[in-house]
Amino acid sequence: SQQGEEDPQALSIQEGENATMNCSYKTSINNLQWYRQNSGRGLVHLILIRSNEREKHSGRLRVTLDTSKKSSSLLITASRAADTASYFCATDGLASNTGKLIFGQGTTLQVKP
Amino acid sequence: DAMVIQNPRYQVTQFGKPVTLSCSQTLNHNVMYWYQQKSSQAPKLLFHYYDKDFNNEADTPDNFQSRRPNTSFCFLDIRSPGLGDAAMYLCATSRDPTGTDTQYFGPGTRLTVL
Repeated sequence: SQQGEEDPQALSIQEGENATMNCSYKTSINNLQWYRQNSGRGLVHLILIRSNEREKHSGRLRVTLDTSKKSSSLLITASRAADTASYFCATDGLASNTGKLIFGQGTTLQVKP
Repeated sequence: DAMVIQNPRYQVTQFGKPVTLSCSQTLNHNVMYWYQQKSSQAPKLLFHYYDKDFNNEADTPDNFQSRRPNTSFCFLDIRSPGLGDAAMYLCATSRDPTGTDTQYFGPGTRLTVL
């Protein structure tokens, strides 16, 4: 069953604007990760946030996690054309010891120059 | 640079003709994963190896098999590809299987079935 659901499915913004993507999940987790995928390429890990963390920063990225609402958001500040990609959240299962990640459907971000 | 390498990047096969996709890693990670990703969809885990232990997902068709002859290499065999198997196949690695570790992905192999 699908663990993560993301919205919006697609987002188009101008360069310099901020982009916010949201992820909701169904079961308890140990951590939540965000990945980026450029068109036709593999996924690149962006950030991991643990269940006992509420916010994490990495450069222009800010991730929040609300375990009570089973949701996370990814904020990209001062976006650039190179940020154009699909963004996926991925969760593990709280009882999982297999390293299995379940990915959301992804948000496709287009940043217009 | 340490990385995950997939060959070939593009593979064309005929309906029913067996095909093998290759993945190698220089990260010396214990875990290797195979994902299937269809157009505009999320990656879906097919199976993974933790060292030599093979872990199949319950809904992975029998048509898909995997081999891991050593730490560095892992292969995905599709015994009789159907049109529905056309997809991007992603290999990934991680140090440990607990799900708290980052997964490192290769660039993927795009499979076309004619």
